[in-house]
Amino acid sequence: QVQLVQSGAEVKKPGASVKVSCKASGYTFMNYGINWVRQAPGQGLEWMGWISAYNGKTNYAQKIQGRVTMTTDTSTSTAYMELRSLRSDDTAVYYCAREGPRGRYGDYAPFDFWGQGTLVTVSS
Amino acid sequence: DIQMTQSPSTLSASVGDRVTITCRASQSISSWLAWYQQKPGKAPKLLIYKASSLESGVPSRFSGSGSGTEFTLTISSLQPDDLATYYCQKYNSYFIWTFGQGTKVEIK
Repeated sequence: QVQLVQSGAEVKKPGASVKVSCKASGYTFMNYGINWVRQAPGQGLEWMGWISAYNGKTNYAQKIQGRVTMTTDTSTSTAYMELRSLRSDDTAVYYCAREGPRGRYGDYAPFDFWGQGTLVTVSS
Repeated sequence: DIQMTQSPSTLSASVGDRVTITCRASQSISSWLAWYQQKPGKAPKLLIYKASSLESGVPSRFSGSGSGTEFTLTISSLQPDDLATYYCQKYNSYFIWTFGQGTKVEIK
């Protein structure tokens, strides 16, 4: 069965960086894109960006472009999201989510599986 | 950029009620719309894709409709387990996804 298992909670100081991992299992990792979505406390879902696990191509949301880097390690079926120059408003739960198979969902696809979330707290 | 607007932000209904949530896109997105359910403290779960297709394993009391710029999610008979926040998401282009702001469903 498909599973996305994320790394544990982090506490960081303003200005620091954080790197969250998302280990995939139960499917062929390279065949699907991975998205990162965050949710500030009591707020809605914010799409951060996408990475192709096949070739590492990325597309980042304009709001955080320049501070975020998404990577994958195909040898361990793991995706990573690094966010730099952390601010207090980066405090959120960060989720990874798999882009669904286009053969099933059509030309474009929603997110069919999600990780459990990683709380990142930015505080001095 | 296409914006997604949901209404209402919060709704309160009784068990057995029919509940409808609306999602509007600022431009046409054809039928490339998904609905997710997020229970407190949990990751979102895909309910509906392509505006009206029910994801496998999702109860049939959930249904979606619409195309273009206006979409609805309907729960035909609200159950206690449906306490959650519901999000729409547009996915009409490669590598860009956008969520609505969410609708919190409370049980009276």
